[in-house]
Amino acid sequence: EAGVAQSPRYKIIEKRQSVAFWCNPISGHATLYWYQQILGQGPKLLIQFQNNGVVDDSQLPKDRFSAERLKGVDSTLKIQPAKLEDSAVYLCASSLEPPTSGLNEQFFGPGTRLTVL
Amino acid sequence: SQQGEEDPQALSIQEGENATMNCSYKTSINNLQWYRQNSGRGLVHLILIRSNEREKHSGRLRVTLDTSKKSSSLLITASRAADTASYFCATVGNQFYFGTGTSLTVIP
Repeated sequence: EAGVAQSPRYKIIEKRQSVAFWCNPISGHATLYWYQQILGQGPKLLIQFQNNGVVDDSQLPKDRFSAERLKGVDSTLKIQPAKLEDSAVYLCASSLEPPTSGLNEQFFGPGTRLTVL
Repeated sequence: SQQGEEDPQALSIQEGENATMNCSYKTSINNLQWYRQNSGRGLVHLILIRSNEREKHSGRLRVTLDTSKKSSSLLITASRAADTASYFCATVGNQFYFGTGTSLTVIP
């Protein structure tokens, strides 16, 4: 079974530029998550999709971050414009079912390390 | 914050010793999960314990859950150098909330 795929693995940009990350979840997984992990901290949920609908985006800085999951499969996360404090690893994860069910083990991709100069 | 808090923040032990890390949380949960993260990699699921369970084993892992104290512990027995990683608890109610992590170093 193929895992969660993410690209790119690394990205360096200057502040005020824009950047996009891509995620392909495990086939059949209805729930997709984007996390931001700052060095030395635990992952912080940015947005959760159930199929192609947004379930929770309460911690997404909507003035600069956006995400979509067209057709309920692949997802993209965009930052525009980037700030220095956006430097972090962006992790994508998927699960068969949402957190409220019993089959909610998450499978993570390798992450994208973003450096904003 | 709704995140769990792990302690200790960092732990260094000799190979063969046991490692214990703890997680405390604030909200009610359906289940609690533990994940491992090797440096520069994504998280890997280790074990899930439901809110009506008190203890669970998986290989060298033993997890306990005390919902009255809102705390959980992860015990790794007979540690190996390959266990060196960061360990996170995740509390699961309507959403996932990851803790701050424990950095474990196992010295060969």
